[in-house]
Amino acid sequence: AQSVSQHNHHVILSEAASLELGCNYSYGGTVNLFWYVQYPGQHLQLLLKYFSGDPLVKGIKGFEAEFIKSKFSFNLRKPSVQWSDTAEYFCAVNDNNDMRFGAGTRLTVKP
Amino acid sequence: DGGITQSPKYLFRKEGQNVTLSCEQNLNHDAMYWYRQDPGQGLRLIYYSQIVNDFQKGDIAEGYSVSREKKESFPLTVTSAQKNPTAFYLCASMGTGELFFGEGSRLTVL
Repeated sequence: AQSVSQHNHHVILSEAASLELGCNYSYGGTVNLFWYVQYPGQHLQLLLKYFSGDPLVKGIKGFEAEFIKSKFSFNLRKPSVQWSDTAEYFCAVNDNNDMRFGAGTRLTVKP
Repeated sequence: DGGITQSPKYLFRKEGQNVTLSCEQNLNHDAMYWYRQDPGQGLRLIYYSQIVNDFQKGDIAEGYSVSREKKESFPLTVTSAQKNPTAFYLCASMGTGELFFGEGSRLTVL
């Protein structure tokens, strides 16, 4: 089964800084990739997903992610973060309906 | 409305007791999942089922059991063998390649 690695446990940024959160999965094949966000006290919300096609996918709230097949990576980016982006971010991989999540990265944005 | 219904939302249990968490969906999805969410550990897969009468273990299946007798239902039993059962449990189903989550059940073992 796939395992999902999120490199950063806790990231602290100032407003307007650029964000990149790393995500790697363990082996190749045809996979679907996801980023979810969980704001404090709220449920998981889908940020964006990759199924096929253009490896650069755009999601909600100005987030985007790039799928690099050769690196088994799906990193999340945002050019300029806001205080309201403070949340926990989870990467997930669906390999033939076996859906695994990373441990999450907590993002704190300082105003 | 279509969706995933988990019950109960909050549950307290004494050590040594088994408890069953309910998950029902009316989305006509084939695949269903149980995850456990703990702070700092993300969502860990307990069990999943792709079709009726079939299910696969996830990363942390020990101390849990499931059944899938109907397409709509995927109950999870937390047995007394689960060493650290206090957690937030999420049920999900998969449609068009992505997960749809229930509201979750928070289990506290006293």
